[in-house]
Amino acid sequence: QVQLVESGGGLVKPGGSLRLSCAASGFTFSDYYMSWIRQAPGKGLEWVSYISSSGNTIYYGDSVKGRFTISRDNAKNSLYLQMNSLRAEDTAVYYCARVLWGRGYSGSELDYWGQGTLVTVSS
Amino acid sequence: QSALTQPASVSGSPGQSITISCTGTSSDVGNYYYVSWYQQHPGKAPKFMIYDVSKRPSGVSNRFSGSKSGNTASLTISGLQPEDEADYYCCSYAGSTTYVIFGGGTKLTVL
Repeated sequence: QVQLVESGGGLVKPGGSLRLSCAASGFTFSDYYMSWIRQAPGKGLEWVSYISSSGNTIYYGDSVKGRFTISRDNAKNSLYLQMNSLRAEDTAVYYCARVLWGRGYSGSELDYWGQGTLVTVSS
Repeated sequence: QSALTQPASVSGSPGQSITISCTGTSSDVGNYYYVSWYQQHPGKAPKFMIYDVSKRPSGVSNRFSGSKSGNTASLTISGLQPEDEADYYCCSYAGSTTYVIFGGGTKLTVL
């Protein structure tokens, strides 16, 4: 069965960095586009970033552009999110999600989600 | 770009039907048929419920249906059940600049 397991969250000071990982299993990871979505405490979902199956096409939300970097290692079945210059408003649960097969054009069809990892930015 | 607009809350009794609206613009909901819906129970990850405005993924109950008119998409849940009580989020493709945008979420209470 499809499994996505995020890790790497924790407490970090403003201006600091953190790298999130998402380990995928139960499907051919290299065939799928992937995304990161976040949810601030008590708030709604916010799309963060998207990466194509090969890693050649990448998009970011305006709030993280220039600070966050998405990447993947298909040999390790892993997705990553490097987060730099972190701000208090980046505090959230970060989910990795798989994009429905063949829907790379739109990227809004997220058929499997991990359980999330909490990132807290505070001094 | 601002989030898609959803009502903060809706409620209904078991067996009734409810509809949750999701209003965007001609740059997102109104311009594409790439609208999806997600259900989220407290402390859980979101679940994929509807895509392409009205298609249901395998395993999703046919009590859930979607539609769109102009810049507004809608999720209808018929035959409400207690387990339907959750937060619901719409999501739309918004073009190659903004890419993907979510709604603010709607809390469904089953009375």
